[in-house]
Amino acid sequence: DAGITQSPRHKVTETGTPVTLRCHQTENHRYMYWYRQDPGHGLRLIHYSYGVKDTDKGEVSDGYSVSRSKTEDFLLTLESATSSQTSVYFCAIMRADETQYFGPGTRLLVL
Amino acid sequence: GESVGLHLPTLSVQEGDNSIINCAYSNSASDYFIWYKQESGKGPQFIIDIRSNMDKRQGQRVTVLLNKTVKHLSLQIAATQPGDSAVYFCAEIKGGSEKLVFGKGTKLTVNP
Repeated sequence: DAGITQSPRHKVTETGTPVTLRCHQTENHRYMYWYRQDPGHGLRLIHYSYGVKDTDKGEVSDGYSVSRSKTEDFLLTLESATSSQTSVYFCAIMRADETQYFGPGTRLLVL
Repeated sequence: GESVGLHLPTLSVQEGDNSIINCAYSNSASDYFIWYKQESGKGPQFIIDIRSNMDKRQGQRVTVLLNKTVKHLSLQIAATQPGDSAVYFCAEIKGGSEKLVFGKGTKLTVNP
């Protein structure tokens, strides 16, 4: 499982509230990713990080921000959650061979 | 839009048969391809990968074929088992990029 954990695993929140999802890795990989998965859209990249304090946007970054203050943690924040952000969120790391491994996911429901 | 896609959204096979899942890609600059398996309620799981300098790669019961001429990727599963039932995604990395592009997935159902 590449030592990836995500917290929380499930979250229900209300529209307009801030939400932070955490991804933690134990193998000291440089690259970390946040994806969302929705029916009919597959996996879409939100943001990624290529080192501490180094992040970049993916294809669906609007409404999301990220932070990486330590190698092992990559945080995804929804500043003001909307119903369109109801989804399953996956974190991933990339190993030196370019293979990405995924965490178990966080199910987020925005009411 | 996505440059990676799948020909069939669903595939149903009998237990013991071989399964073939197909994927088309449009970017000839892609040089690394990965197949993932995703079971219900779980994250995508790495199955097998192939680089553009190869045509075929085999794993345990799985084989990936890459046809660069027609930009086609396939995953073959031998002697399909009920535990193989899942959604399978192909993904590509374009040369020089650290970002995977995923197809929408094919749902494989194995009938006993």
